[in-house]
Amino acid sequence: QKEVEQNSGPLSVPEGAIASLNCTYSDRGSQSFFWYRQYSGKSPELIMFIYSNGDKEDGRFTAQLNKASQYVSLLIRDSQPSDSATYLCAVRKIGNNRKLIWGLGTSLAVNP
Amino acid sequence: EAGVTQFPSHSVIEKGQTVTLRCDPISGHDNLYWYRRVMGKEIKFLLHFVKESKQDESGMPNNRFLAERTGGTYSTLKVQPAELEDSGVYFCASSLPGMNTEAFFGQGTRLTVV
Repeated sequence: QKEVEQNSGPLSVPEGAIASLNCTYSDRGSQSFFWYRQYSGKSPELIMFIYSNGDKEDGRFTAQLNKASQYVSLLIRDSQPSDSATYLCAVRKIGNNRKLIWGLGTSLAVNP
Repeated sequence: EAGVTQFPSHSVIEKGQTVTLRCDPISGHDNLYWYRRVMGKEIKFLLHFVKESKQDESGMPNNRFLAERTGGTYSTLKVQPAELEDSGVYFCASSLPGMNTEAFFGQGTRLTVV
């Protein structure tokens, strides 16, 4: 079992719709959760991170964390064609270890 | 302000040769990380520097890989001798101190071993 699981997609949504991206993790010792966006051939860039149960909103993006069910999701409201990219979920465990454990990523296509 | 810079952007070498990758972090970022993505697989952690000290090198595949960060500024990752399975994209990232500070990634070095 992979430590961080994501549906590879592609996830296709029409422009203006809500895109929902999901990520599950296996280690209950996971502490912080990160969503990165990566355009083809580019470096990953951080969208947002969350470490408390519940929702965290930043503009059109909302991260949702449920530690009991061991999943974290990313909602993108009013999806735009420029949101088309691969979305990577990464997890950090409790302790001094700062390394990120990554999922494979979900490819999102927003159709005009 | 310059971001994280990696050199070279691409490298094609023959099996058995040596390659050195370089990463220049954002100025003032004590934390420097190396990650690797092999085609079709997840990004994997290689190691973490705090200034010039190796904080965690649990992800280094084997002793053919050597990372250094002399003076706590730029870092190098040397692969000697390179094997076919070392092919992939090597990312460097840096961040300020603190547990949840943002890690900024470089554009990566695409290494192909033939």
